[in-house]
Amino acid sequence: EDQVTQSPEALRLQEGESSSLNCSYTVSGLRGLFWYRQDPGKGPEFLFTLYSAGEEKEKERLKATLTKKESFLHITAPKPEDSATYLCAAGGSQGNLIFGKGTKLSVKP
Amino acid sequence: EAGVVQSPRYKIIEKKQPVAFWCNPISGHNTLYWYRQNLGQGPELLIRYENEEAVDDSQLPKDRFSAERLKGVDSTLKIQPAELGDSAVYLCASGGSRRGDTGELFFGEGSRLTVL
Repeated sequence: EDQVTQSPEALRLQEGESSSLNCSYTVSGLRGLFWYRQDPGKGPEFLFTLYSAGEEKEKERLKATLTKKESFLHITAPKPEDSATYLCAAGGSQGNLIFGKGTKLSVKP
Repeated sequence: EAGVVQSPRYKIIEKKQPVAFWCNPISGHNTLYWYRQNLGQGPELLIRYENEEAVDDSQLPKDRFSAERLKGVDSTLKIQPAELGDSAVYLCASGGSRRGDTGELFFGEGSRLTVL
């Protein structure tokens, strides 16, 4: 069964304290690994797409990487405005998208 | 350009009552999705449309849920009758038509349903 697991469930950081979020996946015929950001009361907002192991994408303080079994979202010197829930999703062979439960990130000033 | 528009934003109903949610996707997007998101969980797919065809409705509880997408544009999701466990946020998303873009979705702000 296709599955996406994210860890940790919640992460509290001080402003400037770098860390990483993990997304492990078991998906047959992976057609992309996707990261989204979700603010309270809003729909998810697309961040990155990764298609093959070794691929990296960057956007401001965020960098996403992909291996054959997991993806990491690295946050460098985070700011309070980076506080949100980060969702990972794997594209299945049937064109479906399987989401993880998300990691709730809080960055304190 | 306008994003995905959903209405209503909030709905409170009593159990056994019907409810309907409406979604207007981004212009030109031929793929439309309805997801349900429970508190502290990731979105779960209910139904996916390619134009006006429902290509994946395997997770839609068909005894009480129905959906339609008229002329391949707007879509409506209906629940009748609602149960307490249906309380959740119902998210609509749309995607472009290019192959390989299946994960780059644009979400609306969602419709939060509370069933009492």
